Amino acid sequence: KQEVTQIPAALSVPEGENLVLNCSFTDSAIYNLQWFRQDPGKGLTSLLLIQSSQREQTSGRLNASLDKSSGRSTLYIAASQPGDSATYLCAVINSGYALNFGKGTSLLVTP
Amino acid sequence: EAGVAQSPRYKIIEKRQSVAFWCNPISGHATLYWYQQILGQGPKLLIQFQNNGVVDDSQLPKDRFSAERLKGVDSTLKIQPAKLEDSAVYLCASSEGYEQYFGPGTRLTVT
Repeated sequence: KQEVTQIPAALSVPEGENLVLNCSFTDSAIYNLQWFRQDPGKGLTSLLLIQSSQREQTSGRLNASLDKSSGRSTLYIAASQPGDSATYLCAVINSGYALNFGKGTSLLVTP
Repeated sequence: EAGVAQSPRYKIIEKRQSVAFWCNPISGHATLYWYQQILGQGPKLLIQFQNNGVVDDSQLPKDRFSAERLKGVDSTLKIQPAKLEDSAVYLCASSEGYEQYFGPGTRLTVT
């Protein structure tokens, strides 16, 4: 059974800092890995999707990397802003398209 | 392009009552998912439809939960009777490939 772990569970940083969120998974036979953002009381917004054949994806200030062999992914956020405050969820797909989620990292960026 | 629509957004019921949630996926998306997200946890897949057929319902508590997808478009998720531990956010998602798009969710409180 796939287990997805996210570290840290919570993170507080001052505005402007670069930060890294970590995700690990136990079964490396994944199809894709997807990072989501969830704001309080809202649904999930897809940030980046990395296919199993890819090593990284970039969108604006966000960069996600994938190392299938070690079962790890990182989400790098450059020059953090208060508007980045949210919960970040990592999810993997093994088969059948259903997502297996971690518990998330709660990020607070202070002005 | 319209996103995934869900209703109601909030629902409060007493235990042993019944409740139903509705989801309208993105037009043309063949795959529809229902996830349950308990506070502090990542979403957990309840059921996955491909058109109007069930692909995976292995984690659906079938003694109290039921779901259908009529004509391969809209879907409803029902709980009868509800228990206190069913308090959660119920998220609907749809996809035409690997990338899933989520609705805003329905927050259920069972008292």
